[in-house]
Amino acid sequence: NAGVTQTPKFRVLKTGQSMTLLCAQDMNHEYMYWYRQDPGMGLRLIHYSVGEGTTAKGEVPDGYNVSRLKKQNFLLGLESAAPSQTSVYFCASRAPIGVFDSYEQYFGPGTRLTVT
Amino acid sequence: DQQVKQNSPSLSVQEGRISILNCDYTNSMFDYFLWYKKYPAEGPTFLISISSIKDKNEDGRFTVFLNKSAKHLSLHIVPSQPGDSAVYFCAASVRQGGSEKLVFGKGTKLTVNP
Repeated sequence: NAGVTQTPKFRVLKTGQSMTLLCAQDMNHEYMYWYRQDPGMGLRLIHYSVGEGTTAKGEVPDGYNVSRLKKQNFLLGLESAAPSQTSVYFCASRAPIGVFDSYEQYFGPGTRLTVT
Repeated sequence: DQQVKQNSPSLSVQEGRISILNCDYTNSMFDYFLWYKKYPAEGPTFLISISSIKDKNEDGRFTVFLNKSAKHLSLHIVPSQPGDSAVYFCAASVRQGGSEKLVFGKGTKLTVNP
């Protein structure tokens, strides 16, 4: 099991460029999440999905879009990157509550994005 | 409005001693609490959790205590080891709109000195 993987690991964008971050999990988890981590800010939820074909907004969704076309993949898109989106992005997944009653989210290794 | 607070940005302890990391929360609807550990350039990894119906959970060197009346939880690491040096995040689970989300604190950087 690879667990949760993220591509790319690093990326530098110019202001206004677009990109897509890919998250993949092989644990057959229903729930998937995208977070960003900034210095002194902890982890903040951007968007999440409770199943294939569903998405919902988190705490800081502005400037991002997501898609969950396949259960194992969760894509995070930046249509027009801004310097304020410079951050480390983490993807996570989890089984639904009631399946082993686990609230634990499994995280990927992160993508470090710099927007200049 | 920060619902999960870790008021100590950093903590330094000697190897072999106890490390106590604290976390306060404001939302009484939180029903589950977790601690995550994060090394530089890696994703957070789950450490230990506790349900809101319990007041203590122990796993090896790690124990989490929950005081619901004070809306306070703490993570005890005994004995502390240099490999425990990392950032520790407290997280609380809340159900909203048919789904469940975690709310994270800002983290406490623990340094265990040999």
